[in-house]
Amino acid sequence: QSALTQPASVSGSPGQSITISCTGTSSDVGGYNYVSWYQQHPGKAPKLMIYEVSNRPSGVSNRFSGSKSGNTASLTISGLQAEDEADYYCSSYTSISTYVFGTGTKVTVL
Amino acid sequence: QLQLQESGPGLVKPSETLSLTCTVSGGSISSSNYYWDWIRQPPGKGLEWIGSIYYSGSTYYNPSLKSRVSISVDTSKNQFSLDLTSVTAADTAMYYCATHIYFFYYMDVWGEGTTVTVFS
Repeated sequence: QSALTQPASVSGSPGQSITISCTGTSSDVGGYNYVSWYQQHPGKAPKLMIYEVSNRPSGVSNRFSGSKSGNTASLTISGLQAEDEADYYCSSYTSISTYVFGTGTKVTVL
Repeated sequence: QLQLQESGPGLVKPSETLSLTCTVSGGSISSSNYYWDWIRQPPGKGLEWIGSIYYSGSTYYNPSLKSRVSISVDTSKNQFSLDLTSVTAADTAMYYCATHIYFFYYMDVWGEGTTVTVFS
């Protein structure tokens, strides 16, 4: 299985909105509403930010939102803050009962 | 609240077997509510899902690693383990254990990770 495709980097100024894309195939992203997003700060374990395409776990800011169209999922961070600077990974369940992660996106707050 | 903690040798020689353990606290590994996962991250690179095990013993593996991976559960110790055979330098990574709830498809609890370096 191939990693899902994400842009290597995305940047924005404080207060702005940014969107990270995550492109897969009909065997993963396009075939299931089981896309999740994880935030990872340097030296830390990943943290779940979005599950099942657009749901936020308790405690995650409503500035984070997710969506999906076809084989591409997206994570939007609105009102960008310095603390949002981190790596972000998407993940999807697949047709062979496995999971695949995205290539990862480094978010920089200018 | 579930908590996970990885443990194992930080150094492994090429061609040998990497063995790691994840200790579960705050819940039972025998619960039908959870799958138990291993994920790794090479230095400076992205996350790679290694595999999962259900309490019943059913396992699911990344096809690219399937020939070398085995995940098992030790209910007496409330632990699950990863064995990766015939390691090379490419297996050098941070290894995380994680869990996801049965019938849900996201990892919501992660361990802090343990670093494994393959070198002679």
